[in-house]
Amino acid sequence: AQKVTQAQTEISVVEKEDVTLDCVYETRDTTYYLFWYKQPPSGELVFLIRRNSFDEQNEISGRYSWNFQKSTSSFNFTITASQVVDSAVYFCALSEVRRGDYKLSFGAGTTVTVRA
Amino acid sequence: GAGVSQSPSNKVTEKGKDVELRCDPISGHTALYWYRQSLGQGLEFLIYFQGNSAPDKSGLPSDRFSAERTGGSVSTLTIQRTQQEDSAVYLCASSSGQGNQPQHFGDGTRLSIL
Repeated sequence: AQKVTQAQTEISVVEKEDVTLDCVYETRDTTYYLFWYKQPPSGELVFLIRRNSFDEQNEISGRYSWNFQKSTSSFNFTITASQVVDSAVYFCALSEVRRGDYKLSFGAGTTVTVRA
Repeated sequence: GAGVSQSPSNKVTEKGKDVELRCDPISGHTALYWYRQSLGQGLEFLIYFQGNSAPDKSGLPSDRFSAERTGGSVSTLTIQRTQQEDSAVYLCASSSGQGNQPQHFGDGTRLSIL
């Protein structure tokens, strides 16, 4: 069963527009962690943000912000005032505590293209 | 170096050959993970190491795949009798082992089976 669903396959925007990426997850754990990673064309997966299941406070970090809602099992990610360098594939990932290994279950990824 | 290092960056081999992929994690990171990224399957977990032990090997797709870690540091993923479906990018990640700490990834090894 797919634990993380990213319904958007591709998003294309013009520079300076905001981009919101959707992520829905599924778990029976009460304690878990959610992550967003970025994979630019160079290929390396880069950690962006992290959220614990017991902390629903939404935050902003620079041009990044996220909206975590346990009631809907969603962990959406927004890039404000997008730039061409933001063009990449973005992955949402879930880490469940129950097994103790914290392995990541990834969504299929959303390809973001920012046009100048 | 400061990050996770993987070698080789690219590997092209003939079907049926054995290959070894190497991962050098961030110094001090006790947890090490191997993932595979392919077009059809996305990003898949393969195996997890805590120190030199591998308590979770559930993602290894067949008995042709094995991995080891020595000295709590370098890990080697071995694929025997490679098949074309093994073609993928193999990614290694390491972390401090605490659940709320992110995994840091290497650049990956792009494996192509002819």
